[in-house]
Amino acid sequence: DADVTQTPRNRITKTGKRIMLECSQTKGHDRMYWYRQDPGLGLQLIYYSFDVKDINKGEISDGYSVSRQAQAKFSLSLESAIPNQTALYFCATSPPGTADGGEQFFGPGTRLTVL
Amino acid sequence: QKEVEQDPGPLSVPEGAIVSLNCTYSNSAFQYFMWYRQYSRKGPELLMYTYSSGNKEDGRFTAQVDKSSKYISLFIRDSQPSDSATYLCAMPSEGGSEKLVFGKGTKLTVNP
Repeated sequence: DADVTQTPRNRITKTGKRIMLECSQTKGHDRMYWYRQDPGLGLQLIYYSFDVKDINKGEISDGYSVSRQAQAKFSLSLESAIPNQTALYFCATSPPGTADGGEQFFGPGTRLTVL
Repeated sequence: QKEVEQDPGPLSVPEGAIVSLNCTYSNSAFQYFMWYRQYSRKGPELLMYTYSSGNKEDGRFTAQVDKSSKYISLFIRDSQPSDSATYLCAMPSEGGSEKLVFGKGTKLTVNP
C-alpha cells in the first residue's frame, strides 16, 4: 500500500464550487505539506503543518484553507474554486527532527480542473 | 531574485549521453541540497542529497555543489530511457529550514 495517499486523483469542478482534497499517510510523520504544481512554475507551497495544532501558511495560501484532523490526515479546501486554481496538487510528509527540511515524501497527486 | 533558478528545458538526448542539469541559488547560507525526480503522473521522489561543497556519486548519478558560484549540478552518465523524467532541485527555504524551495524542474527525455 502507498505510504501517502490522495483522494480524489482527478476532479473536475465548476467555478464557485467548494472542493476538498484529502491526504492520508501511514508513515507516522508529524510534518505534512500541500503544494500545487503548474507547468513552468514548479512546486509552490500552499500550507504546512508540523503537528495537529500547528498550521502555517505557505507562499500561495490565498483562496485555500486546510484542516489537520489527525496526525495522519491533512485536507486542503478550496472554498470557492476559480479557474486559475486548475493545477496538480501534491501532499507531502516529512519526519520531525530532520535537519534543513529533510526528505519529503510525496503522494501521487490530484489533478484538479476548474471550469 | 528568486531563491532557486532552474532551466526548465525541455532537454532531449540520445541513450548513452551524459546529461547535465543545473540550478543556481541566491542564499549563500544554504548547506543542504537535494535533487528530486518526478516521473509522469507521479509525485516527486528524492534522488540525491548532498551537504556543502563537493561531489556525491551514486551509481550513474553525480551531484555537485559549487558554493562559491552558488551553483549545483546533477550529472547522469550513460543515460537510459528510464531516466526520462522531470528533475527538480531543492534546498531549504530562506523563510525556515523546515521548508523546502524547489526549482521549476527540467524535463528530460532520453531517446532509445
